Amino acid sequence: GQQLNQSPQSMFIQEGEDVSMNCTSSSIFNTWLWYKQDPGEGPVLLIALYKAGELTSNGRLTAQFGITRKDSFLNISASIPSDVGIYFCAGQLSGKLIFGTGTRLQVFP
Amino acid sequence: DGGITQSPKYLFRKEGQNVTLSCEQNLNHDAMYWYRQDPGQGLRLIYYSQIVNDFQKGDIAEGYSVSREKKESFPLTVTSAQKNPTAFYLCASKGSLNSPLHFGNGTRLTVT
Repeated sequence: GQQLNQSPQSMFIQEGEDVSMNCTSSSIFNTWLWYKQDPGEGPVLLIALYKAGELTSNGRLTAQFGITRKDSFLNISASIPSDVGIYFCAGQLSGKLIFGTGTRLQVFP
Repeated sequence: DGGITQSPKYLFRKEGQNVTLSCEQNLNHDAMYWYRQDPGQGLRLIYYSQIVNDFQKGDIAEGYSVSREKKESFPLTVTSAQKNPTAFYLCASKGSLNSPLHFGNGTRLTVT
């Protein structure tokens, strides 16, 4: 099945640093979603974006829906140890959801 | 609290046996989904159902079967025909076509 290009694949950062990850596609979407998955758990929805150009924040997280509708980014500011996990993007069009390959984030104290 | 419940959390089976994974939701969602996740990989769609008594194959349906007799329930059977069944299985649901997907906490199946 089709998957989105998500980068970077993994990140190792120090506590307090800012993080940025993004997803790109050759297809357009009308919704972009960002999820976080902790080990052994299901993904949890972080941010949902419904409009091209939309910039949405959820605490220290900020995500944007690209103007071309083919990309999205997620920023995490002032990272903390509990930010550790795998972050997935997902693009949705007419109910069909395509997932990114994930970004594994490690935060060191 | 509303949510999606998958059970059991861990499941062990011998090769050659069929096994059924449970997924129940009390969110009144019409659509339900099953995904498979292998270590270090993304999510792959197995089956989905947009309404009771109807379901469609996803990208990797071979060796799996589902039923949707009730709106709240979407059990997944991993049959002996599935060549590599050991994986983490995730159930999800959503309320309308373009609303976000919500996930259960997964079932880790180990077949030896």
